[in-house]
Amino acid sequence: NAGVTQTPKFQVLKTGQSMTLQCAQDMNHEYMSWYRQDPGMGLRLIHYSVGAGITDQGEVPNGYNVSRSTTEDFPLRLLSAAPSQTSVYFCASSYRSSGRGNEQFFGPGTRLTVL
Amino acid sequence: EDKVVQSPLSLVVHEGDTVTLNCSYEVTNFRSLLWYKQEKKAPTFLFMLTSSGIEKKSGRLSSILDKKELFSILNITATQTGDSAVYLCAVNYGGSQGNLIFGKGTKLSVKP
Repeated sequence: NAGVTQTPKFQVLKTGQSMTLQCAQDMNHEYMSWYRQDPGMGLRLIHYSVGAGITDQGEVPNGYNVSRSTTEDFPLRLLSAAPSQTSVYFCASSYRSSGRGNEQFFGPGTRLTVL
Repeated sequence: EDKVVQSPLSLVVHEGDTVTLNCSYEVTNFRSLLWYKQEKKAPTFLFMLTSSGIEKKSGRLSSILDKKELFSILNITATQTGDSAVYLCAVNYGGSQGNLIFGKGTKLSVKP
């Protein structure tokens, strides 16, 4: 198993550009999520999905869109990049929990810089 | 407001020392508490705790949860330089069965 994969590893954008961060997992996990990590802020949830066709907002969703057309893929789209979106982005996945929560597996991250 | 607070934010020790990292939380609909280790890349899973008073151990690392007082501790005994990392505490909570709220992390530096 490759686990959770993310592409690209690094990206530099200009303000106003759009792009898509890719995330894929091969563990047949129902739950997938996107976090951003900023210095001194910890990881914050952007969007999440509990299955194909179902997405919802997390703590910091503004400026980002997601879709989940397959179980494996969960892309994150930046519609019009802003310098405030400079961050490290992590995708994570897990099985749907039985009520107690489950270990989430994280991808290697994408370091995004918006100039 | 749901929150997870870790202390200390940073810690410097020497090899062989024992350290205790703290995590307190206030969340609605608590499901579990998770500890992760992050070394300049993706967080890697250490423990998941759901019941009070039951210690989880893995080698020199151990953790315990107190659901009455709403905190958890992560202990590392006989620290090694390879333990240097940021340790993240996260709580699985709320309506969706996967969402995590993270603390800001404790940066541990172990000196030779």
